[in-house]
Amino acid sequence: GAGVSQTPSNKVTEKGKYVELRCDPISGHTALYWYRQSLGQGPEFLIYFQGTGAADDSGLPNDRFFAVRPEGSVSTLKIQRTERGDSAVYLCASSLTGDRTEAFFGQGTRLTVV
Amino acid sequence: AQSVTQLDSQVPVFEEAPVELRCNYSSSVSVYLFWYVQYPNQGLQLLLKYLSGSTLVKGINGFEAEFNKSQTSFHLRKPSVHISDTAEYFCAVIYSGGYQKVTFGTGTKLQVIP
Repeated sequence: GAGVSQTPSNKVTEKGKYVELRCDPISGHTALYWYRQSLGQGPEFLIYFQGTGAADDSGLPNDRFFAVRPEGSVSTLKIQRTERGDSAVYLCASSLTGDRTEAFFGQGTRLTVV
Repeated sequence: AQSVTQLDSQVPVFEEAPVELRCNYSSSVSVYLFWYVQYPNQGLQLLLKYLSGSTLVKGINGFEAEFNKSQTSFHLRKPSVHISDTAEYFCAVIYSGGYQKVTFGTGTKLQVIP
């Protein structure tokens, strides 16, 4: 596609449930990033993939959060036992190489945990 | 700790007036600096970036920013704003580390008043 695509655009889930958020990066982009943007805050880094491997997952808040990118393109962010504090917009970005070139962001998935 | 500070959470300005959005970052030997814009219900879009060279950087939509190493600042300016500039603006920094782990500020909401 022309840009980074994230699905769903909105997700409402009950506390304790499991959710998956999907990111389709720009074709050919090897680097992929996940960020979380809480209300009134700037985006916070979660995890970075170079190809299929997670090069840096230091931003994942706890072991309920996990992300995969099995074929080096589409990535899925998985959240287990969701909590109300997980409510935020989850942003995905991709870039051509990951060496400080421009990152292109998707429109995000707004997750609401009730 | 690496940080980016945007002191102004909201900036109201009349149409056709000049505007400056402030950004300061914690000092580091090597930084790369970015400004992103987020229009309502849209993803982040890169306005401009400083990687090296001239400290005055020009971006899209008539915006420019100046890198000031001694003051660790990267303020965003526009000589005459338009209604369509109403959006949230995020300053972002990559600290030396080899790949694009971006640290964002908390954002400044620019409200252009007709």
